[in-house]
Amino acid sequence: EDKVVQSPLSLVVHEGDTVTLNCSYEVTNFRSLLWYKQEKKAPTFLFMLTSSGIEKKSGRLSSILDKKELSSILNITATQTGDSAIYLCAVHGSGNTGKLIFGQGTTLQVKP
Amino acid sequence: NAGVTQTPKFRILKIGQSMTLQCAQDMNHNYMYWYRQDPGMGLKLIYYSVGAGITDKGEVPNGYNVSRSTTEDFPLRLELAAPSQTSVYFCASSYSDRGRETQYFGPGTRLLVL
Repeated sequence: EDKVVQSPLSLVVHEGDTVTLNCSYEVTNFRSLLWYKQEKKAPTFLFMLTSSGIEKKSGRLSSILDKKELSSILNITATQTGDSAIYLCAVHGSGNTGKLIFGQGTTLQVKP
Repeated sequence: NAGVTQTPKFRILKIGQSMTLQCAQDMNHNYMYWYRQDPGMGLKLIYYSVGAGITDKGEVPNGYNVSRSTTEDFPLRLELAAPSQTSVYFCASSYSDRGRETQYFGPGTRLLVL
């Protein structure tokens, strides 16, 4: 059965800290891994990763995929209170349906 | 572009009632999805559609039904609502092309079944 596991499940840090969120997967015929940020409402897209070792960056956020280890990390440097959210990892598996398998999410709280 | 829109935003149902959650997208996406999200959990796929007239079950389809008569609309029907269906429901859509499969989400419908 396809599975995506995120760790830690929750994290509390102070502004300015750097955090690393983990995502591991067991998926048939991996196609891509996506990271989303979810604040009060709908998840918003952060990154899509398809190739190992290529870092994607957007401001203070960056992410990298390791296909050998079947995992990805999401780094946030110099955290701000606005980074407080649930971070969701999702993977496209086999089949041409676009279906995503989501992890449980990591809840990040950044304290001032 | 409005993106993905959902109505209603919030609804309270009594056990046994039925309702339809509406979802529409104006991005000409082939693929559409319905998820539910329970507190502290990720998203579970209920149903999905790869095009008008084609739907299929996801992980948790029991108690739900869908139809896709047009590219734009993908309503989710709850028959005989149960307390276990209390959740937040998200609709999403995406292109079908490889490399463009990013899913875009609607704002969600919060449903409470009492």
